[in-house]
Amino acid sequence: KQEVTQIPAALSVPEGENLVLNCSFTDSAIYNLQWFRQDPGKGLTSLLLIQSSQREQTSGRLNASLDKSSGRSTLYIAASQPGDSATYLCAALHTGNQFYFGTGTSLTVIP
Amino acid sequence: DTAVSQTPKYLVTQMGNDKSIKCEQNLGHDTMYWYKQDSKKFLKIMFSYNNKELIINETVPNRFSPKSPDKAHLNLHINSLELGDSAVYFCASTGVGRRHTEAFFGQGTRLTVV
Repeated sequence: KQEVTQIPAALSVPEGENLVLNCSFTDSAIYNLQWFRQDPGKGLTSLLLIQSSQREQTSGRLNASLDKSSGRSTLYIAASQPGDSATYLCAALHTGNQFYFGTGTSLTVIP
Repeated sequence: DTAVSQTPKYLVTQMGNDKSIKCEQNLGHDTMYWYKQDSKKFLKIMFSYNNKELIINETVPNRFSPKSPDKAHLNLHINSLELGDSAVYFCASTGVGRRHTEAFFGQGTRLTVV
């Protein structure tokens, strides 16, 4: 069974820093990997989707990479802002359209 | 336009009651899901429906029964509610084929059983 882990569980950085969030998965037979953002008391907002054949995706200050062979994905956030404070979740899609979610990284960007 | 909408957003009820949460998606997706997010924020799948047919049914008490009247709707009915059912329930949908499997989530329903 797929297990998805995110490190670190919590991260606090000063505004303006670049940062990397990590996601690892045990079963490399995934269709895609998706990064989400969740604000307190809110739903999940899709940030980036990387298909299994792709290596990375970029959107604005966000860049996500995927290395299936090593079972890893990273989300890079450039020039962090207080508005980036949220919980970030990665999810791996498997056969049967089932998503396995990571445990999340709670990010706080200090002004 | 809200892509995936759930109602109600908040639900407070007493133990033993029966309640339903509704979900609708206007994306034309074929697959819909229900996820439960516990107090530690971990999201676990409960059910998945594809074109109104049950695809995934994880280890969930049979007090939980999903119903899909059409592929745009997936409702969750819960019988005999227990304290441990308190959580946030999320509905989600994905499209057809591997290249269209970006998941969209509703805003969640916070269920509190007292």
